[in-house]
Amino acid sequence: NAGVTQTPKFRILKIGQSMTLQCTQDMNHNYMYWYRQDPGMGLKLIYYSVGAGITDKGEVPNGYNVSRSTTEDFPLRLELAAPSQTSVYFCASSPRVANTDTQYFGPGTRLTVL
Amino acid sequence: DQQVKQNSPSLSVQEGRISILNCDYTNSMFDYFLWYKKYPAEGPTFLISISSIKDKNEDGRFTVFLNKSAKHLSLHIVPSQPGDSAVYFCAASVSGNTGKLIFGQGTTLQVKP
Repeated sequence: NAGVTQTPKFRILKIGQSMTLQCTQDMNHNYMYWYRQDPGMGLKLIYYSVGAGITDKGEVPNGYNVSRSTTEDFPLRLELAAPSQTSVYFCASSPRVANTDTQYFGPGTRLTVL
Repeated sequence: DQQVKQNSPSLSVQEGRISILNCDYTNSMFDYFLWYKKYPAEGPTFLISISSIKDKNEDGRFTVFLNKSAKHLSLHIVPSQPGDSAVYFCAASVSGNTGKLIFGQGTTLQVKP
């Protein structure tokens, strides 16, 4: 049981480039989330999904897009990379049993935009 | 507007002693609280949680206390072990709000042998 997996682990982008951060979970969780963590800060929610085909914005969605075509996958797209998007990105999933909100996180993708 | 605050960026304790990590929140609608532990280069790992209908939850060496009137929660680790050295995040949510978590800034705990 792999849990939540993320690829790549590290990436360096030039300003204006695009990329997709991949996230897959094998726990059959309906809820999935993307967070970013800047140095010395907590995690901030970028986008989330409550099921296949349903996504919504979090606290800091600007510059990102998501899609959710299957229960397992929740990719995060950066269209025009900017230095402000240098961060560590975490994907998480949750079964949301009885409205409890325990989320299970992947190992993260460290992105640098130069 | 920082709805969840961890005002101590770091904490150092001796092995075997108690570690107390604190967290304050401002949104009275929060009704579920969690603590996560994070090692370098890894994702956060769920540690313990508490619902607002309780004031204490215990799991082995870890106990979380919730004081709703003060909008304050704390995590007690007894006894502390060197392997507990990590960054600890508290998080809060509103039930029925699609599970979105609001995180504090984190506290780095160092347990010295």
